[in-house]
Amino acid sequence: AAGVIQSPRHLIKEKRETATLKCYPIPRHDTVYWYQQGPGQDPQFLISFYEKMQSDKGSIPDRFSAQQFSDYHSELNMSSLELGDSALYFCASSPRRGGIATDTQYFGPGTRLTVL
Amino acid sequence: LAKTTQPISMDSYEGQEVNITCSHNNIATNDYITWYQQFPSQGPRFIIQGYKTKVTNEVASLFIPADRKSSTLSLPRVSLSDTAVYYCLVGSTTSGTYKYIFGTGTRLKVLA
Repeated sequence: AAGVIQSPRHLIKEKRETATLKCYPIPRHDTVYWYQQGPGQDPQFLISFYEKMQSDKGSIPDRFSAQQFSDYHSELNMSSLELGDSALYFCASSPRRGGIATDTQYFGPGTRLTVL
Repeated sequence: LAKTTQPISMDSYEGQEVNITCSHNNIATNDYITWYQQFPSQGPRFIIQGYKTKVTNEVASLFIPADRKSSTLSLPRVSLSDTAVYYCLVGSTTSGTYKYIFGTGTRLKVLA
């Protein structure tokens, strides 16, 4: 079965550079979530989108922005990168069923961002 | 969103049944309980989800008492490959999307 695709899988950047992470949800999934997981930490919710609109916001820094496109893929844009941004970034998708709480989130393999 | 509390770590031996209990005292009426498994450097993987009583699938069972203030994930006959972090998640669609707030998961180590 098709899964969530994230690219790139690994990314190395210098401080103050920018980075763009991409997420391609499972076909027919229209809700996308972004999570950040620092070394030895638990995943932290950043932001989510439904039908190309931001639907919820978590602990996403102002230096980060994200959007969802007409084909439902999403991009997380990160500017003025800091050492502390080094982490695994996961994207998850779920099928929207009228906001029913049983929507299961399916996670991608993640993008490992290293900021030097 | 309900906060969950799980044991930080557990050890077990191959072939044993493992039960991981999660407390969610503030769970709301429309909240569901979902468990994920995560291996190092991989995305969390859905295991099982339930609302009340007992749910069983091909990999696990989930027991939820009537008051729903706790739940127990049961993994039958674990193997070395079940060594992972297990997260208990409770959330609801208060804002239109089912947002997960990850707490500190349970680090299960299966020994030979």
